[in-house]
Amino acid sequence: NAGVMQNPRHLVRRRGQEARLRCSPMKGHSHVYWYRQLPEEGLKFMVYLQKENIIDESGMPKERFSAEFPKEGPSILRIQQVVRGDSAAYFCASSPGGEVGYTFGSGTRLTVV
Amino acid sequence: GENVEQHPSTLSVQEGDSAVIKCTYSDSASNYFPWYKQELGKRPQLIIDIRSNVGEKKDQRIAVTLNKTAKHFSLHITETQPEDSAVYFCAASPPGAGSYQLTFGKGTKLSVIP
Repeated sequence: NAGVMQNPRHLVRRRGQEARLRCSPMKGHSHVYWYRQLPEEGLKFMVYLQKENIIDESGMPKERFSAEFPKEGPSILRIQQVVRGDSAAYFCASSPGGEVGYTFGSGTRLTVV
Repeated sequence: GENVEQHPSTLSVQEGDSAVIKCTYSDSASNYFPWYKQELGKRPQLIIDIRSNVGEKKDQRIAVTLNKTAKHFSLHITETQPEDSAVYFCAASPPGAGSYQLTFGKGTKLSVIP
């Protein structure tokens, strides 16, 4: 089992560009969670998705951020018109059901220049 | 919502000594408390967890204690080794419909001095 796979590992974007972060859950897992980690901070919950459904997006900024988990393919976290404050590490995790104790992927480190 | 406070923010110990990290939480309904270890540039890794029906749990050199009345829980690392150096995060999650969501503390940077 390859674990939770995230790509790219590092992503550099200029202000105003779009960032697309991908997360492939562990085999057999249909629940995905995205967290953001600002420098020197703990992880903060952003969104919880099941296949083709957003269950809870209460931690996601209302503008510029969106997430999806299609029937086929990885979950995508999309950030439009990135700003410097979006620079952070974005981690996803997966589980077979909606419970904690899940495993995180290696993260995508987004740098906005 | 839940709020988790973690102390200290940095901790230096001599190799072989013990390290203790403490967390408090605000939501008395929270019932799951994991601890994660994060090495520089890497993903957080679950090292131990405890549920609210248990007061203490131990795994080799690592132990976690929970005081539900006081709403605090602690991580204890004995016989510390240089490879224990990392940032440690505590977290809490509620029961029921929101049980999938972890609220993290801000982390403790542990340095073990050889």
